[in-house]
Amino acid sequence: ETGVTQTPRHLVMGMTNKKSLKCEQHLGHNAMYWYKQSAKKPLELMFVYSLEERVENNSVPSRFSPECPNSSHLFLHLHTLQPEDSALYLCASSHRIDIDTQYFGPGTRLTVL
Amino acid sequence: GQNIDQPTEMTATEGAIVQINCTYQTSGFNGLFWYQQHAGEAPTFLSYNVLDGLEEKGRFSSFLSRSKGYSYLLLKELQMKDSASYLCAVKDSNYQLIWGAGTKLIIKP
Repeated sequence: ETGVTQTPRHLVMGMTNKKSLKCEQHLGHNAMYWYKQSAKKPLELMFVYSLEERVENNSVPSRFSPECPNSSHLFLHLHTLQPEDSALYLCASSHRIDIDTQYFGPGTRLTVL
Repeated sequence: GQNIDQPTEMTATEGAIVQINCTYQTSGFNGLFWYQQHAGEAPTFLSYNVLDGLEEKGRFSSFLSRSKGYSYLLLKELQMKDSASYLCAVKDSNYQLIWGAGTKLIIKP
């Protein structure tokens, strides 16, 4: 299933670099999400957008900056990251943000050196 | 606080049946989800329960008891391709998904 795509799939960056993660959904959904997945830990919700407006920001450090230019695209801009930010970053989408099922992209495996 | 508990790892034999349990304590309840995640891949939706009882979908079934804060995922006729992590998640009163850490299921021939 390629309803939600993410690029790049793998990213290695230094602590002083600036990079961006991209997510695109082809499902006609109105809500999009960024999650962080670390080994053996629950998924951590980072940001939620509904109709291109940010509705949730779960105390995420400012070195992560989201952008949602339209309902099909979501970006996560990264700058001056720390090694503990190394994780799998997953994008998801749903019709609405309340009861609907979320569908995930394959994720970007990020390594911060 | 809100909490989802599920076993870290389980092992089962090809062709057998396995039950993965999930208990939750959340502020409010608006449904429980099960997802399957193969290593290095996206979590994929398996089932959704909002009312008590058993939902069957092919080889997979999911059960919910809201009074007990308990769910299980039942996998029958296990196949090697069922080796994956199984994630339990609950939507709370704010419709935010609260996730468990996942159960890694290992299938042996």
